[in-house]
Amino acid sequence: SQQGEEDPQALSIQEGENATMNCSYKTSINNLQWYRQNSGRGLVHLILIRSNEREKHSGRLRVTLDTSKKSSSLLITASRAADTASYFCATDATLIQGAQKLVFGQGTRLTINP
Amino acid sequence: DTGVSQNPRHKITKRGQNVTFRCDPISEHNRLYWYRQTLGQGPEFLTYFQNEAQLEKSRLLSDRFSAERPKGSFSTLEIQRTEQGDSAMYLCASSPHGSSDTQYFGPGTRLTVL
Repeated sequence: SQQGEEDPQALSIQEGENATMNCSYKTSINNLQWYRQNSGRGLVHLILIRSNEREKHSGRLRVTLDTSKKSSSLLITASRAADTASYFCATDATLIQGAQKLVFGQGTRLTINP
Repeated sequence: DTGVSQNPRHKITKRGQNVTFRCDPISEHNRLYWYRQTLGQGPEFLTYFQNEAQLEKSRLLSDRFSAERPKGSFSTLEIQRTEQGDSAMYLCASSPHGSSDTQYFGPGTRLTVL
């Protein structure tokens, strides 16, 4: 079953605008990650934020984490057509011997209109 | 490019047939994961290997599914007596020991069961 929910499920904006996607989760975490998936392709890791961090930047990406609300947001600034993809948040769940499995939300389908 | 490769990229089979997928992780990554993703959903964890040992299996992995990693390098996922409900994208990911937070995904194998 899915750990959390992403909001919105779909987002369509004009090129150059900012896109914000939200993720909520249910259990305590060590870290939260965001992945991008182009249609029919594998997942590309974007950014990881640890539970003791509140904000992290990577290029045009900004991720925030609020552990008290069990929520995270991904902001993509100055969007480009190439940003069109599905975006997933993933939380960690401990497996045996310290490994972690990823628990994904349902994703946000982002469309950037030229 | 993440470096994880999967073959085949697409597989179409008839119900009742057996299928086998292969995953080659990033060299020297001793942790390997299989996930399944159905249309419109996020990936769901199936199983985890550390080296050649299969240490975790999800309840999603029915008796018809078997995974191996015989020499601790590549892995195979076999589905016997396929059913239409097995139609999905099967994703493989790997991570290095001691730093399992980020998992690197392959392009996936899309299975269609007719």
